[in-house]
Amino acid sequence: SQTIHQWPATLVQPVGSPLSLECTVEGTSNPNLYWYRQAAGRGLQLLFYSVGIGQISSEVPQNLSASRPQDRQFILSSKKLLLSDSGFYLCAWSLSTGQETQYFGPGTRLLVL
Amino acid sequence: GNSVTQMEGPVTLSEEAFLTINCTYTATGYPSLFWYVQYPGEGLQLLLKATKADDKGSNKGFEATYRKETTSFHLEKGSVQVSDSAVYFCAWEDSNYQLIWGAGTKLIIKP
Repeated sequence: SQTIHQWPATLVQPVGSPLSLECTVEGTSNPNLYWYRQAAGRGLQLLFYSVGIGQISSEVPQNLSASRPQDRQFILSSKKLLLSDSGFYLCAWSLSTGQETQYFGPGTRLLVL
Repeated sequence: GNSVTQMEGPVTLSEEAFLTINCTYTATGYPSLFWYVQYPGEGLQLLLKATKADDKGSNKGFEATYRKETTSFHLEKGSVQVSDSAVYFCAWEDSNYQLIWGAGTKLIIKP
């Protein structure tokens, strides 16, 4: 069966510090991968999605970047965090064959102070 | 415990039919409620939301009313189109701003 992991679960970082959140998927090959952010009271926003290694699409301009160095690894990064980057970050995967359901990881809560 | 129960899919309708996708939730207090939509090959998008009892969220012809007496947030549309074919997720937001998701309902609209 497929599983998706995210870490860390919780992170407190000072403004201006770098960020690296990692997401890995097990039990499937060539998944579509997604990063979402949920800011307080504002629902879920798609940040990036990837259909393959090195292929990243950005949905919104922002202070963050994403990379996919391996088939089942998706990394969310920032060189300098802003206060507005605080939120709950979710990674998700879906099959690349057109099945629509996305499966979400446990999430990372980021607090920027 | 905290949960969201959605109508099991797939739901198959003809174009211009009336749509209802049921959603009920179990939560303490009065959380914000959401419907998200995922079109084929795309990521999740927020469709509509309601933040307090009796609020009606609406977007793209879809509506949902926050009913605290029945703890429901049913999604409706008067006349569906083929382009509405997608997977629809109901969710509510807990006090830590985490979303509690339903399992999703696949909607298929036939011309």
